[in-house]
Amino acid sequence: AQKITQTQPGMFVQEKEAVTLDCTYDTSDQSYGLFWYKQPSSGEMIFLIYQGSYDEQNATEGRYSLNFQKARKSANLVISASQLGDSAMYFCAMREGRRGGSRLTFGEGTQLTVNP
Amino acid sequence: GAVVSQHPSRVICKSGTSVKIECRSLDFQATTMFWYRQFPKQSLMLMATSNEGSKATYEQGVEKDKFLINHASLTLSTLTVTSAHPEDSSFYICSARGGGSDTGQLNTEAFFGQGTRLTVV
Repeated sequence: AQKITQTQPGMFVQEKEAVTLDCTYDTSDQSYGLFWYKQPSSGEMIFLIYQGSYDEQNATEGRYSLNFQKARKSANLVISASQLGDSAMYFCAMREGRRGGSRLTFGEGTQLTVNP
Repeated sequence: GAVVSQHPSRVICKSGTSVKIECRSLDFQATTMFWYRQFPKQSLMLMATSNEGSKATYEQGVEKDKFLINHASLTLSTLTVTSAHPEDSSFYICSARGGGSDTGQLNTEAFFGQGTRLTVV
């Protein structure tokens, strides 16, 4: 079974509008972490935001926020006030287990295009 | 955030030769490094996990004799693609994580290198 599911292969948004990228996950661990990364066409992986399973508040980092719904096992990324530079591939990832040495499991990604 | 440097960013090599890719953590000690492979328009596929001073743990289906990983120090891991063939052409990217408490930034996040685009001709 897929551990991380991103159901939107591609998304389009108008500049300055908000967009939500979906991510659902599957784990039986009580302790886990959820990550979002941005990958522009250059290939580098840029860390955006992190949410721990025990964090009660949704994580926010500037224009990025993570809508964490633990019971539904979803961790959607919300980008507010989209910019042209936000056009990229976005990956949701999960780390299971208490210690940080555990691997990251990635979803299939969502290609976001911001239109002027 | 922490800095991970990967070199080279791009390499073209002839079929049958070997290519070494370096992954360095510049401002922290990376107890664990991960090597991924990514085909166009696809997700990252974990190839192996390397811990400093011990043998790498390879994922199922990854040939350990083909993809040699060495993690000789806390700041450097290398991936050598031996006897490269055109089907090995891909984007290879490393990530690094340090030790520390669960709440420490280095332990909760994995920082990635810039990636290496390998083309075997």
